[in-house]
Amino acid sequence: KNEVEQSPQNLTAQEGEFITINCSYSVGISALHWLQQHPGGGIVSLFMLSSGKKKHGRLIATINIQEKHSSLHITASHPRDSAVYICAVGPTYLPWNTGNQFYFGTGTSLTVIP
Amino acid sequence: EAGVAQSPRYKIIEKRQSVAFWCNPISGHATLYWYQQILGQGPKLLIQFQNNGVVDDSQLPKDRFSAERLKGVDSTLKIQPAKLEDSAVYLCASSFRDKPQETQYFGPGTRLLVL
Repeated sequence: KNEVEQSPQNLTAQEGEFITINCSYSVGISALHWLQQHPGGGIVSLFMLSSGKKKHGRLIATINIQEKHSSLHITASHPRDSAVYICAVGPTYLPWNTGNQFYFGTGTSLTVIP
Repeated sequence: EAGVAQSPRYKIIEKRQSVAFWCNPISGHATLYWYQQILGQGPKLLIQFQNNGVVDDSQLPKDRFSAERLKGVDSTLKIQPAKLEDSAVYLCASSFRDKPQETQYFGPGTRLLVL
């Protein structure tokens, strides 16, 4: 059972296209994170959401708490956007002695072709 | 601000050998995480420290994996003895506080190949 599901698993787009990556989760959360992982590189945090919408440059992230769903949009995609995008959720805060384990999706591998 | 540092970046060992990874979190970050990421999967939490104490190690295979953060700053993760299925990227992350709303900052990872 995966607490976090992402779609699609793989995505190829032409440069300039509008891209949407979806994330659905089944647990109650207090925060959702979108992460970017380049091949051979580390992970960079793009957004942390607990409600509504956030925008940073060409990236937009939205979350619908009632539907337990989040989307990451990339406008005017560029080859440098090629990476794996990972959705991670932080469950509703647990008692102090049990930690706050994050649940991660398996990632969406995006390739943007020039 | 310096990011999370990890070393080595790559390691190739034979099965049954031992290996150790090192992580230096961002200065002032109390919470430190070790993740294992197998190819094609999302990261899996192995252990979480709050300062020098273990908060969650429920998914750490304790028969072969161990981790410590003796002074509440740097941390080491050891595998002894390694198995083929341990081949993965080992990611270290840190955050200022132990809350799910906190941004986690990830290191570049250590890519382990067990032959």
